[in-house]
Amino acid sequence: DVKVTQSSRYLVKRTGEKVFLECVQDMDHENMFWYRQDPGLGLRLIYFSYDVKMKEKGDIPEGYSVSREKKERFSLILESASTNQTSMYLCATDTDSSSYEQYFGPGTRLTVT
Amino acid sequence: QKEVEQNSGPLSVPEGAIASLNCTYSDRGSQSFFWYRQYSGKSPELIMSIYSNGDKEDGRFTAQLNKASQYVSLLIRDSQPSDSATYLCAVKDAGNMLTFGGGTRLMVKP
Repeated sequence: DVKVTQSSRYLVKRTGEKVFLECVQDMDHENMFWYRQDPGLGLRLIYFSYDVKMKEKGDIPEGYSVSREKKERFSLILESASTNQTSMYLCATDTDSSSYEQYFGPGTRLTVT
Repeated sequence: QKEVEQNSGPLSVPEGAIASLNCTYSDRGSQSFFWYRQYSGKSPELIMSIYSNGDKEDGRFTAQLNKASQYVSLLIRDSQPSDSATYLCAVKDAGNMLTFGGGTRLMVKP
C-alpha cells in the first residue's frame, strides 16, 4: 500500500509566521503534489514536483514555496502566513508514470489567526 | 480553463438502492479519469480509475466513461449508510495534471 504521511493533522499559527508543512512518502515515487481544499472552491493545486530539486507552479502558487531535497520528502512553506491561507492542505503522490493514480496523505488543517 | 463539473447535491438515496453520480469535463484531450471518496474531515481516497470508453466494475462500484460525450459516471449498487460521503471526480489531461470537480455529496438513508 502507498503510504503518505503529513507532519501535523492540525496546526494553529499567527499571521506573519513562517510555516512548514512536511509530506513524506515511502514508495519511491517521482511525482509529489500539494493541494489546498476550501469549501465551495474544491481542491486546487499549489505546487508539484517531478523529481528531487525540481518544482513546478500549480494553479495558486502565490504566497507559497516548496522544497524537495530528498525524493521521499516534499515540503510546503508559507513564508509569511496570512488569514486567507487558513485551509486544509493535502499532499499527494502518483503511483507510476502509466496509471497516474494519486494517493493522498491525511491532510493538515491549518488555522492562521 | 479546464473544467470538471459535478452536481453538488446532496443526492439522497435509500439503503439498498443504486446511487448514480455524474461528472462532465471540458478538455477533450483528457486521458484518465478517477473517482475519489471523501468522508467529512478526511482526505480523498481513490476508489476507481478508468481510462477507456465503457464500463469498469469493482465490487459494488461501476465507473462508466463516454469520451465522445465528455462524461464519466460512478454507480454504487446496494448503497449502504457507510457510502455517505462526498465523491470527487478527477480528470487528468495530456499534461498529467489532475483537475478535480467540486464533488457530489451522497447521503444514504437507512
